[in-house]
Amino acid sequence: NAGVMQNPRHLVRRRGQEARLRCSPMKGHSHVYWYRQLPEEGLKFMVYLQKENIIDESGMPKERFSAEFPKEGPSILRIQQVVRGDSAAYFCASSPGQGVGYRPGGADTQYFGPGTRLTVL
Amino acid sequence: DAKTTQPTSMDCAEGRAANLPCNHSTISGNEYVYWYRQIHSQGPQYIIHGLKNNETNEMASLIITEDRKSSTLILPHATLRDTAVYYCIVRAYSYGNKLVFGAGTILRVKS
Repeated sequence: NAGVMQNPRHLVRRRGQEARLRCSPMKGHSHVYWYRQLPEEGLKFMVYLQKENIIDESGMPKERFSAEFPKEGPSILRIQQVVRGDSAAYFCASSPGQGVGYRPGGADTQYFGPGTRLTVL
Repeated sequence: DAKTTQPTSMDCAEGRAANLPCNHSTISGNEYVYWYRQIHSQGPQYIIHGLKNNETNEMASLIITEDRKSSTLILPHATLRDTAVYYCIVRAYSYGNKLVFGAGTILRVKS
């Protein structure tokens, strides 16, 4: 039973380029979350998506960042025109929502992937 | 979501039980206590969660006080691989709620 998968694991971009980070949730999971961990800082929530819908993007920077979770395929976190301050570890998590693995009466547990480490030169 | 308070760091001898405390004095009735850990820049790993009853799984035990204002995560036989940052998070019941990570407790298991 594969866990959450993220690729690439390491990504190097020059300033001004675009970065695309991919996340494949656990089998049966329909909810995806993205978190960012800046160097020497804690994990911060960015965005929560369900299939084809952005539910909560309160943690997303207002410009250059976007996320999607299409009906087919992985969730994508896209960063346009990257700057040095975007260098960080980006983690994706997934949860089942209702259905497989959902525990009636319990909260919705999030399971994390290994992360993508973005370095902007 | 309620705020949590954890010690900055703790040491534990290998093979002994590691007891990690967490205060959450403003917890609400519908809020769960979650524990995650992060081993050296890896993705956070879910450990356990509970509402009011004590919980145990293959990784750890969670003891929640009767008034729910504090809890303790217990790793019964700590190994060197348990060295990590441990996060106590209080989160309301609602699927889709984000996790709010604090600074956590750095647990160092020493041989």
